Amino acid sequence: AQSVTQLGSHVSVSEGALVLLRCNYSSSVPPYLFWYVQYPNQGLQLLLKYTTGATLVKGINGFEAEFKKSETSFHLTKPSAHMSDAAEYFCAVSESGVGGGADGLTFGKGTHLIIQP
Amino acid sequence: DVKVTQSSRYLVKRTGEKVFLECVQDMDHENMFWYRQDPGLGLRLIYFSYDVKMKEKGDIPEGYSVSREKKERFSLILESASTNQTSMYLCASSPFISQGNNEQFFGPGTRLTVL
Repeated sequence: AQSVTQLGSHVSVSEGALVLLRCNYSSSVPPYLFWYVQYPNQGLQLLLKYTTGATLVKGINGFEAEFKKSETSFHLTKPSAHMSDAAEYFCAVSESGVGGGADGLTFGKGTHLIIQP
Repeated sequence: DVKVTQSSRYLVKRTGEKVFLECVQDMDHENMFWYRQDPGLGLRLIYFSYDVKMKEKGDIPEGYSVSREKKERFSLILESASTNQTSMYLCASSPFISQGNNEQFFGPGTRLTVL
């Protein structure tokens, strides 16, 4: 069975500092990996995804993530934090090759990113 | 642009009431999902559907049922609401795909309070 672990339920960084949100997964087959962001009182929005090919994936709002198979990790980074980045971030994994994707994603428990002025 | 809408943003119900949460997507997606989101627990899958009138239990189906009479609409039903069902409910949809790249598109959520 697949699973996702996000290290740190809360991460606090200063405005302008590097953002690093950690995600480790377990999967019996090559995974598809996703990062979603949730702003207060809103639904989830896709930041970026890894399917195949280049292991460094660029997303929206200056975020990027690197798939490292040997470390089973998919950490999310941004070089310089902005106040508007304050939100909840979720890592998710999918390994289904059958069922048309209907069995969904497995999500981590989320990391709340706090930006200090 | 995919749009997933949910019938209510905020809902307050009393214990024992029957509650309907509606979700509609406008992109002709085959798959639809209901999650609940609680602090510290992330998103947990309640039910999903891969076709009209088809439904499958997720990780926490107890106390819930679903209905999918039309492709674009997926309803979550709480037969007899209880206080432990107070939560944020998120609906999502995704197209049928042959690989696991099943990106999901989410609605804005319904915050349900059961008194």
